[in-house]
Amino acid sequence: DIQMTQSPSSLSASIGDRVTITCQASQDIRHYLNWYQQKPGKGPNLLIYDASNLQTGVPSRFSGSGSGTDFTFTISSLQPEDFATYYCQQNDDVPRTFGQGTKLEIK
Amino acid sequence: QVQLQESGPGLVKPSQTLSLTCTVSGDSINSAGSYWTWIRQHPGKGLEWIGYISYNGRIYSNPSLESRITISVDSSKNQISLKLTSVTAADTAIYYCAREFSGYNYSWLDPWGQGTPVTVSS
Repeated sequence: DIQMTQSPSSLSASIGDRVTITCQASQDIRHYLNWYQQKPGKGPNLLIYDASNLQTGVPSRFSGSGSGTDFTFTISSLQPEDFATYYCQQNDDVPRTFGQGTKLEIK
Repeated sequence: QVQLQESGPGLVKPSQTLSLTCTVSGDSINSAGSYWTWIRQHPGKGLEWIGYISYNGRIYSNPSLESRITISVDSSKNQISLKLTSVTAADTAIYYCAREFSGYNYSWLDPWGQGTPVTVSS
């Protein structure tokens, strides 16, 4: 299985901050990396697909980059509704695997 | 707009078989490029991919669960089912269904259902 290592596991930040989350794959997954947001009591919501493509309807303050084994997810200016847990997921091979998640909390 | 809704028993006794259903609305489960996926989330933990069944009947199960899993579809009801045998407390989780939409050079999980909680306890 491809292991996805996501960091940090938690992050405290303030409204308006720029935050970055990283995800590292145990092998080359090319550009097959997605990012999801999960809020309490809800299923995850797709934000970024193919490492850097913004899903329709997702605000432009969210962005992603990377290829191969190293990927980055950025929120350029935190809004109150962004406090949630974020997951990366590889879809280069089966079984699909997820990072451990990053819980973004209000400072 | 595609929507998914999971349903299940809520509580299952150890060693029994867990049966879950995911009802799809807004699209046919036979739509090309759709891989109907089960994922679970243990309490307070991350996401574990269980397996999928494709629009043309191809099935892949996570090797960690493969011996206990059956994934099937009922096209007449536009539903996907998951059966997990010989459950233990370690199977206590929220179970989600989601559509993996795959194209030529991309795929993603969207949308997801709201999840159905399952507790394994006597």
